[in-house]
Amino acid sequence: DGGITQSPKYLFRKEGQNVTLSCEQNLNHDAMYWYRQDPGQGLRLIYYSQIVNDFQKGDIAEGYSVSREKKESFPLTVTSAQKNPTAFYLCASSILGLNTEAFFGQGTRLTVV
Amino acid sequence: QKEVEQDPGPLSVPEGAIVSLNCTYSNSAFQYFMWYRQYSRKGPELLMYTYSSGNKEDGRFTAQVDKSSKYISLFIRDSQPSDSATYLCAMSEIQGAQKLVFGQGTRLTINP
Repeated sequence: DGGITQSPKYLFRKEGQNVTLSCEQNLNHDAMYWYRQDPGQGLRLIYYSQIVNDFQKGDIAEGYSVSREKKESFPLTVTSAQKNPTAFYLCASSILGLNTEAFFGQGTRLTVV
Repeated sequence: QKEVEQDPGPLSVPEGAIVSLNCTYSNSAFQYFMWYRQYSRKGPELLMYTYSSGNKEDGRFTAQVDKSSKYISLFIRDSQPSDSATYLCAMSEIQGAQKLVFGQGTRLTINP
């Protein structure tokens, strides 16, 4: 089955620790995205990448980092610099250019204690 | 003021009712309008996609765009308990998903 796989589904980390969220897609999409979802705030774009080894900051990139070494993979690292990291993180992918539809993974719920 | 405003609800209606979900926006350059459905603890999935103004129907779902009023709506006819979810509107100035702007989402419950 084609799709986007995020792992793990739930993640707990101590304050001050970096943590990496995994996102893999087998849809052969060029573009990949990371969103953060908080109650009452909708989805906010963290980073996106349109091509391997290139990525751009979204609206709330501070405290996060990404890499795009392979077309299929777009991991997100939540660093200790992120002041309020507890949230639901969604990875998405899309065909570059004409198609506006983003396909989403099932999300990772990160809780920092 | 947020670029896209959506009433977060929650909205609770009886099975079979007609549901109206709405978003207003401030950016007149938006041309592409979408509705996503998100079940609890899952990722959103695209429900409806509309370009510019007008109506689009797909089964029990109708999407309306009124660019002059900067207002979009999603109507659900003959609502079912399986329609219970959070509905997110999203919009973009350009084709391509890299500039999507989402509303806050409306949590909808259909009561049997």
